[in-house]
Amino acid sequence: DAGVTQSPTHLIKTRGQQVTLRCSPISGHKSVSWYQQVLGQGPQFIFQYYEKEERGRGNFPDRFSARQFPNYSSELNVNALLLGDSALYLCASSLSWSSTDTQYFGPGTRLTVL
Amino acid sequence: AQKITQTQPGMFVQEKEAVTLDCTYDTSDQSYGLFWYKQPSSGEMIFLIYQGSYDEQNATEGRYSLNFQKARKSANLVISASQLGDSAMYFCAMREAMTTDSWGKLQFGAGTQVVVTP
Repeated sequence: DAGVTQSPTHLIKTRGQQVTLRCSPISGHKSVSWYQQVLGQGPQFIFQYYEKEERGRGNFPDRFSARQFPNYSSELNVNALLLGDSALYLCASSLSWSSTDTQYFGPGTRLTVL
Repeated sequence: AQKITQTQPGMFVQEKEAVTLDCTYDTSDQSYGLFWYKQPSSGEMIFLIYQGSYDEQNATEGRYSLNFQKARKSANLVISASQLGDSAMYFCAMREAMTTDSWGKLQFGAGTQVVVTP
């Protein structure tokens, strides 16, 4: 079975631009979460979607937005990019939002903002 | 407040030896899950092992085992018979019950860098 897929793998943008990252969950998984991992740190929670509705949002500015489609894939959008947005963006899928459900991660999208 | 604490920034271990990675956590929930992930230099976060708060037995998964001490709020990962391919960053993470504070999100520690030497 295919794991979580993300695209693109790498992205270079300049300050002020907008970016869209994409994620396809494991088949059968209805929950998708997004995390930002800055170099040298653990991942930080951005969003969680379950059944196409936002179920949680981390401490990120409104420049960050996301959505989940009927096929459970998801997009993360970041507007007005800042240098500090440079990071590895990880998407994770799980069956649900339960604390007992394992989140499986994709390979990530490495975003560089110049 | 820090929910997950990993006090070992880096460790060296010889091939074929066992290594223990420390993790302590902080929660007032009764129901929660504890997870360990491995992140090689490629960046992908690989799930290793899970321990539920109500599980009475320590979790094991191949060469990985979890030393779960609930009263001490610790969930240490033990890797037996280390291999060169085990060299990576290891993250401990917790998922609390769905509340307006936790959102069912994974909360990660700072990680421990493991280097396996021949």
